[in-house]
Amino acid sequence: QKEVEQNSGPLSVPEGAIASLNCTYSDRGSQSFFWYRQYSGKSPELIMSIYSNGDKEDGRFTAQLNKASQYVSLLIRDSQPSDSATYLCAVIYTGGGNKLTFGTGTQLKVEL
Amino acid sequence: DTGVSQDPRHKITKRGQNVTFRCDPISEHNRLYWYRQTLGQGPEFLTYFQNEAQLEKSRLLSDRFSAERPKGSFSTLEIQRTEQGDSAMYLCASSLLFPGVDTGELFFGEGSRLTVL
Repeated sequence: QKEVEQNSGPLSVPEGAIASLNCTYSDRGSQSFFWYRQYSGKSPELIMSIYSNGDKEDGRFTAQLNKASQYVSLLIRDSQPSDSATYLCAVIYTGGGNKLTFGTGTQLKVEL
Repeated sequence: DTGVSQDPRHKITKRGQNVTFRCDPISEHNRLYWYRQTLGQGPEFLTYFQNEAQLEKSRLLSDRFSAERPKGSFSTLEIQRTEQGDSAMYLCASSLLFPGVDTGELFFGEGSRLTVL
């Protein structure tokens, strides 16, 4: 069973702080990694994708990938209350037919 | 681009009844996916299509579930003889696959919430 593991949280950070969300995956050969944000009662929306080792930045968001450690993270700088949501890590496994395998998500709460 | 639309948004049914959900993907997208999500869990893959061909179906999917995409555009997901365990949000997503270029980025609809009494 190929798995994506996330801490379910909740992760609480004060407004303006950096939120760090982590994800590990089981298939060493995986090539594509995604972070989705899901507000309560809403559908997931794509925030970041990353395919190569290292960092990828987009505005306040930075995705980090370490394939040797099978680890993906998402950093949110200057966290805002509107960032409060569940963050889902998703992986496309090798031979997985391009379907995403999701983790259970980490709930983030940004407090005033 | 009107996004992925799903219908109905909410469905309440009695155990044993059949239900059908419809998904209209983003018009130029050739891949369509169905996922199921329960409270506190991430989306769970059910099946996916490329154009009208159903390429993969989850082993977790019982024979009561069937999906179609007859003309490579909209798709339907039917659940026969519903059970209380089928209560979940059913999410449809679409993506565009170019030959040799597939980012795997999915665009989700708002989902169809099923409650089986």
